[in-house]
Amino acid sequence: DAMVIQNPRYQVTQFGKPVTLSCSQTLNHNVMYWYQQKSSQAPKLLFHYYDKDFNNEADTPDNFQSRRPNTSFCFLDIRSPGLGDAAMYLCATSRRRHTNSYEQYFGPGTRLTVT
Amino acid sequence: RKEVEQDPGPFNVPEGATVAFNCTYSNSASQSFFWYRQDCRKEPKLLMSVYSSGNEDGRFTAQLNRASQYISLLIRDSKLSDSATYLCVVNTLTGGGNKLTFGTGTQLKVEL
Repeated sequence: DAMVIQNPRYQVTQFGKPVTLSCSQTLNHNVMYWYQQKSSQAPKLLFHYYDKDFNNEADTPDNFQSRRPNTSFCFLDIRSPGLGDAAMYLCATSRRRHTNSYEQYFGPGTRLTVT
Repeated sequence: RKEVEQDPGPFNVPEGATVAFNCTYSNSASQSFFWYRQDCRKEPKLLMSVYSSGNEDGRFTAQLNRASQYISLLIRDSKLSDSATYLCVVNTLTGGGNKLTFGTGTQLKVEL
């Protein structure tokens, strides 16, 4: 059963051409996250939504934006992709935010190539 | 100092061996800890959660030492299918909610 779904799985875009990645979940979790993971590096949190409350990480570039129109869907918009933005983008969800018992569930990721 | 540090490996072990990974974290206020497994070009998948001193699930044992700020993962009777990267993840409560910090992972290769 698919729980966290990401589309597309592979995305090729041109330098500077806006791109949108999508994530949907069937878990009805309150919290949705976007991570960027480059080769041989740890996933890096870009931002997260707690319901409609948007939380941006301090070092996330302005080039990255996000939308969450409803509980199930969350989008990552890259306004002007650069070559350095080529990476795997991972969406994750969790049930709650303020708790010690806390697990995140990841989607399969979208691998972005910038040409 | 990195918030979460792991030996990147790779650890090359024969099938059936016991292997242990260590992970250290810098924030003493961190509350909970996880080990995720990540296969090449795939997403991380939760392997174990560690809330108190440790957790055991079949061939996998995780231990937490809060005084020394490290977490370990022990894999017994390793299988070829255990080959993957193992990510140590630390959860810290902040004003904005939970924050997960990932280590860069330890790569395990189990060989015949």
